[in-house]
Amino acid sequence: QVVESGGGLVKPGGSLRLSCAASGFTFSSYNMNWVRQAPGRGLEWVSSISGSGSDIYYAGSVKGRFTISRDNAKNSLYLQMNALRVEDTAVYHCVRDANLDHWGQGTLVTVSS
Amino acid sequence: QPELTQPPSTSATPGQRVTISCSGSTSNIGTNSVTWFQHLPGTAPKLLIYYNDQRPSGVPDRFSGSKSGTSASLAISGLQSDDEADYYCATWDDSVNVRVFGGGTKLTVL
Repeated sequence: QVVESGGGLVKPGGSLRLSCAASGFTFSSYNMNWVRQAPGRGLEWVSSISGSGSDIYYAGSVKGRFTISRDNAKNSLYLQMNALRVEDTAVYHCVRDANLDHWGQGTLVTVSS
Repeated sequence: QPELTQPPSTSATPGQRVTISCSGSTSNIGTNSVTWFQHLPGTAPKLLIYYNDQRPSGVPDRFSGSKSGTSASLAISGLQSDDEADYYCATWDDSVNVRVFGGGTKLTVL
C-alpha cells in the first residue's frame, strides 16, 4: 500500500513537501507517480519517476516549481512543491507503476491567503 | 498540452450495457496503451483496465476495454447501481512526454 502525508494549508508563494510511504512491494522496482484532483475537477497527472530515479517527468503546469524524488532505502516518494499557487489546491495521490495500479487515499493541499 | 476527450456524462438503467469513449491523437492513444479508472467520491481511484483491454484480478468481466486507432472505449455490461461513479481514461503522450487523463465521464445508473 501507499500512504501520503504532508498536506496542509499554505499561502500563495509558499512551499510544502509531500511524502509517500510504500509497503508490501519491492519499491525500487516500480515507477511512481503523483496525481492530483482539484475540487470539482478531474484527475490530473503531476509527475513520474522511474524505479532508479534516473527518469523524471513533469506536467507543464508544475514544471520548474515541483520536484519529485525518491529514497529506495526508505521506501519513500516525495514531492517538493515551491511557489505554490491557488490553482495547486487539490488532493494529491501517490500512485504506483506506469499502469497506475495502486493509489493512496491522498493528502489535501490547500493554497489560500 | 495534449488532451483526451471523454463525454462529460452518460446514463443507463440497471442491466443495460453502456460504453464510454476516449478520443486522443497519434502521439498518445495512437502510440501507447490506454488505462481506465473508476473513481467514487472520497475514495482512491481504482484501476479497471490496463494495456487497452486487460483486467486486474478482482475486476469483474462486466468491464471490458478496447482500442482502435486514436480512440479507446470502456464497456460496462449488466449495469449495477454501484457502478455509478466517475470513469477516466489515461495514456502517455510521446510528443511532450507527459501522462494525460481524459476529463472524466460521470455515469448515472437510473
